[in-house]
Amino acid sequence: DTAVSQTPKYLVTQMGNDKSIKCEQNLGHDTMYWYKQDSKKFLKIMFSYNNKELIINETVPNRFSPKSPDKAHLNLHINSLELGDSAVYFCASSQDSQGRYGYTFGSGTRLTVV
Amino acid sequence: AQSVTQPDIHITVSEGASLELRCNYSYGATPYLFWYVQSPGQGLQLLLKYFSGDTLVQGIKGFEAEFKRSQSSFNLRKPSVHWSDAAEYFCAVGYRGSTLGRLYFGRGTQLTVWP
Repeated sequence: DTAVSQTPKYLVTQMGNDKSIKCEQNLGHDTMYWYKQDSKKFLKIMFSYNNKELIINETVPNRFSPKSPDKAHLNLHINSLELGDSAVYFCASSQDSQGRYGYTFGSGTRLTVV
Repeated sequence: AQSVTQPDIHITVSEGASLELRCNYSYGATPYLFWYVQSPGQGLQLLLKYFSGDTLVQGIKGFEAEFKRSQSSFNLRKPSVHWSDAAEYFCAVGYRGSTLGRLYFGRGTQLTVWP
């Protein structure tokens, strides 16, 4: 069983479209995250949820909206996609809200905006 | 501001050679530290972590890392590299007392292994 699973793995879409990425973890972790990895491999946090409550909301365009229906799921919806949104998006989870034990990452969603 | 520096963007070693990947962090608070490995097209896998206690930590795949507070470093080592170790390696730092669980990542070191 995959611990943190993301769908889809690849997403190619046109500018201006709206798309969603889904993430699910079966580890029983309390906290989930979205990270963006740019073309130079730099990882930057976008959002974090702890037990369905938003606890980190970095400076990202408000076209990006996370939703956590329960503590096992964290989805990312992106409106009006732009070329600069092309990146790999990683979902991750951690046992606690401090991340002391590290994260478990999903395998990523490669988003390409054309 | 918190930052994590991996000074080597790309390292090439021969199979069987020893390896050391460098990581430095800057911040006043006591950190907890991680090394992750990312193979092409994959997510990041945790190699090892330091939270407290013995400053030399052992991880998976024969890797170890040593926390040196005086040098603000957490370098990753392996005595004998295998071709399958070729990947991108990321150092990450979190801070005690943080209620937000945010990890700060270095920019990664790409490891190439020559046969």
